[in-house]
Amino acid sequence: DVKVTQSSRYLVKRTGEKVFLECVQDMDHENMFWYRQDPGLGLRLIYFSYDVKMKEKGDIPEGYSVSREKKERFSLILESASTNQTSMYLCASSPNPNEKLFFGSGTQLSVL
Amino acid sequence: QKEVEQNSGPLSVPEGAIASLNCTYSDRGSQSFFWYRQYSGKSPELIMSIYSNGDKEDGRFTAQLNKASQYVSLLIRDSQPSDSATYLCAVRPSGGSYIPTFGRGTSLIVHP
Repeated sequence: DVKVTQSSRYLVKRTGEKVFLECVQDMDHENMFWYRQDPGLGLRLIYFSYDVKMKEKGDIPEGYSVSREKKERFSLILESASTNQTSMYLCASSPNPNEKLFFGSGTQLSVL
Repeated sequence: QKEVEQNSGPLSVPEGAIASLNCTYSDRGSQSFFWYRQYSGKSPELIMSIYSNGDKEDGRFTAQLNKASQYVSLLIRDSQPSDSATYLCAVRPSGGSYIPTFGRGTSLIVHP
């Protein structure tokens, strides 16, 4: 079975801190994604990547950056965390956009 | 902006009934359609994918696609309390990044 692993299930940070959310997949998938999920707003795409060192902005990239140095790892970076970035963050991977997404278990981030 | 619309619910049905979940989309050229189930506190998991007009059945689940009317639906027969979850519709657009756009989800409650 495909496994998408997110490094933390819960994370509490302070305003202004630099935050790293890590995601690793074990199925050699080309595509990886970062979403945030907020009540009433559904899943919103932050960034995605088609290949190593390649990244594309999603619908809400402001305040975030990403890094993909290796195929299996896709990191989301909050350069200076703010309270409006408190959310559930979901990482996903897929072999191609026509196929299903495999999601990690999510990281609930609270910024105080 | 390509839109995917779902009624947020909650949709409440008795155990054993048919639950009908609906989704409309704005991009007429969309090609791939997905239904994900998300239990509270968990990440989404794929239930069904459908690519051509008509019905696709898998056990108690049937996905129905009507491209002319731009809607896709999910029927759950013999609903069980364990089906209580949020159901997310995702639609892959015809152009651009080809990344699926998610609806906000419909909450389903199956009561004994």
